[in-house]
Amino acid sequence: DAGVTQSPTHLIKTRGQQVTLRCSPKSGHDTVSWYQQALGQGPQFIFQYYEEEERQRGNFPDRFSGHQFPNYSSELNVNALLLGDSALYLCASSLPPANQGETQYFGPGTRLLVL
Amino acid sequence: QKEVEQNSGPLSVPEGAIASLNCTYSDRGSQSFFWYRQYSGKSPELIMSIYSNGDKEDGRFTAQLNKASQYVSLLIRDSQPSDSATYLCAVNSETGNQFYFGTGTSLTVIP
Repeated sequence: DAGVTQSPTHLIKTRGQQVTLRCSPKSGHDTVSWYQQALGQGPQFIFQYYEEEERQRGNFPDRFSGHQFPNYSSELNVNALLLGDSALYLCASSLPPANQGETQYFGPGTRLLVL
Repeated sequence: QKEVEQNSGPLSVPEGAIASLNCTYSDRGSQSFFWYRQYSGKSPELIMSIYSNGDKEDGRFTAQLNKASQYVSLLIRDSQPSDSATYLCAVNSETGNQFYFGTGTSLTVIP
């Protein structure tokens, strides 16, 4: 059973550049959430995609955008990179939220360093 | 205002002891609660989920939930050095679409 996969594993960019991160959900899952985890902090919710639409968004600027494809895979795009965007970016997949909420399973993450 | 609060630790326990990790949350509408373990440099790994008041046991792990007090905890019995990691408490939003995480509690099990 394939788990959540993410690419690339590491990335180095300079300020002002743009970056695209990719995620393939766990087999059977159709919902993808993205999180940013700064060093020493818990993951912070960026947004969630279901049926190719952004279902909910956290407190992140419009520089952060995403997309979900018909095969449920997803991309996270970050424009005009800032030093503060350096973090571990985590993708989590799940089934659509039910009454009790669905468990989210995380991929290995993409570590982004902005210089 | 933080949605989920955890003691950051570090928490140190001797091998074989019980480790107790605590978490409080602010959203009374939350219905689902999760504990994740995160080793240094790795992604979070699910340990347990709990949805109803009371205790839920899975091997050496017991999750406890008290919705009236907005409190969830994790007990690790017979702690092993391999349990040394950061433990993240996660709570879903009332809509179920968003997880709120605490900052994590760092646990060290001393051989």
